[in-house]
Amino acid sequence: EVQLVESGGGLVQPGRSLKLSCAASGFTFSNYYMAWVRQAPKKGLEWVATISTSGSRTYYPDSVKGRFTISRDNAKSSLYLQMNSLKSEDTATYYCARQPYYFDYWGQGVMVTVSS
Amino acid sequence: DIRMTQSPASLSASLGETVNIECLASEDIYSDLAWYQQKPGKSPQLLIYNANSLQNGVPSRFSGSGSGTQYSLKINSLQSEDVATYFCQQYNNYPYTFGAGTKLELK
Repeated sequence: EVQLVESGGGLVQPGRSLKLSCAASGFTFSNYYMAWVRQAPKKGLEWVATISTSGSRTYYPDSVKGRFTISRDNAKSSLYLQMNSLKSEDTATYYCARQPYYFDYWGQGVMVTVSS
Repeated sequence: DIRMTQSPASLSASLGETVNIECLASEDIYSDLAWYQQKPGKSPQLLIYNANSLQNGVPSRFSGSGSGTQYSLKINSLQSEDVATYFCQQYNNYPYTFGAGTKLELK
């Protein structure tokens, strides 16, 4: 059974940093692109980052480019999202997702609140 | 960026009814379209990929169709467990983009 479990969320002040983690199991992690998708409270879904199987290629929307960094450790079947210079508009639930092209499995999500 | 325009924003339907949700892309996305269902307080779940392929385990009352810029999700014989918000998403080009969602309620 595919499982994705996020951790690392919480309350953080504007301008500070936070690192999210996602532990994957039930599939060969190194064979799949992986992604982060977020959802602001009562809002829609926004794709945040994607990483290739080896980690050599990463993709971001303009809204987070230069502030967020996606990475992975295939030996640990783990995905990460380093978030720097956080803004209030980054407040959202962050989901880890497996990405064969679309997002076929999602984690339960972790809440990040950016507020002073 | 490819803009995904989803309609309607909300929908009220009766049990057993057929429901259609539309998604219009701002340019041709060559059937690189997925549909997700999100129940309150839960993570999104994949229903349809490649515009018309049913994800494993998804009931056959769900179907997808379309090509080019126009796509739709059809739910036959609406069940109570189908109450949810539905999102379309294109994966033809980065940045991947989602429709704003359709909230489906029971009448």
